[in-house]
Amino acid sequence: DQQVKQNSPSLSVQEGRISILNCDYTNSMFDYFLWYKKYPAEGPTFLISISSIKDKNEDGRFTVFLNKSAKHLSLHIVPSQPGDSAVYFCAASASSGSARQLTFGSGTQLTVLP
Amino acid sequence: DSGVTQTPKHLITATGQRVTLRCSPRSGDLSVYWYQQSLDQGLQFLIQYYNGEERAKGNILERFSAQQFPDLHSELNLSSLELGDSALYFCASSRFHSGSTDTQYFGPGTRLTVL
Repeated sequence: DQQVKQNSPSLSVQEGRISILNCDYTNSMFDYFLWYKKYPAEGPTFLISISSIKDKNEDGRFTVFLNKSAKHLSLHIVPSQPGDSAVYFCAASASSGSARQLTFGSGTQLTVLP
Repeated sequence: DSGVTQTPKHLITATGQRVTLRCSPRSGDLSVYWYQQSLDQGLQFLIQYYNGEERAKGNILERFSAQQFPDLHSELNLSSLELGDSALYFCASSRFHSGSTDTQYFGPGTRLTVL
């Protein structure tokens, strides 16, 4: 049972344009969402997060939108750069007492074409 | 550089053997998490420790165990290894253990190959 889904395994975008990566979740207990970027043979690098009390968070070229009613979040990258080419993972977490683990989506390979 | 270190970077061993993976969290972080990334399973949560105590267990096999030491570094022990245990093992750390929304920062991972 995949609680976090990234339905697009890959996305290609022209340099300078907007990249939009999508993520859906099923567990209504999730209250914190994160996006990580991952290069081959490296660990995931934290990009941006959003709490369920917000619907938008912005950090430079990266903006995350959360639609709780649709259980959907998206990551917008504007403008896209060739260095953004990587696998992007959506992750979600819920508080369980004193524990908080991340549930990851399967990832989307973003390719930014020069 | 996330500040989380993992050793070794690569490990090749045979079926039936036992290995230990090591993780040092970021300075000041009290929580350590272990994740496994295999080809067909994506990133899966294994176990969390906070200040030396186990806090949460995910899809961790009984052949696997972990601990967190007083200096906060952690070790993941994998025993009776099988071919299917070949994967990338990541450690992450974060500041808090409570229900607060804190961010996990990942190490570079250990690639385990079981032959």
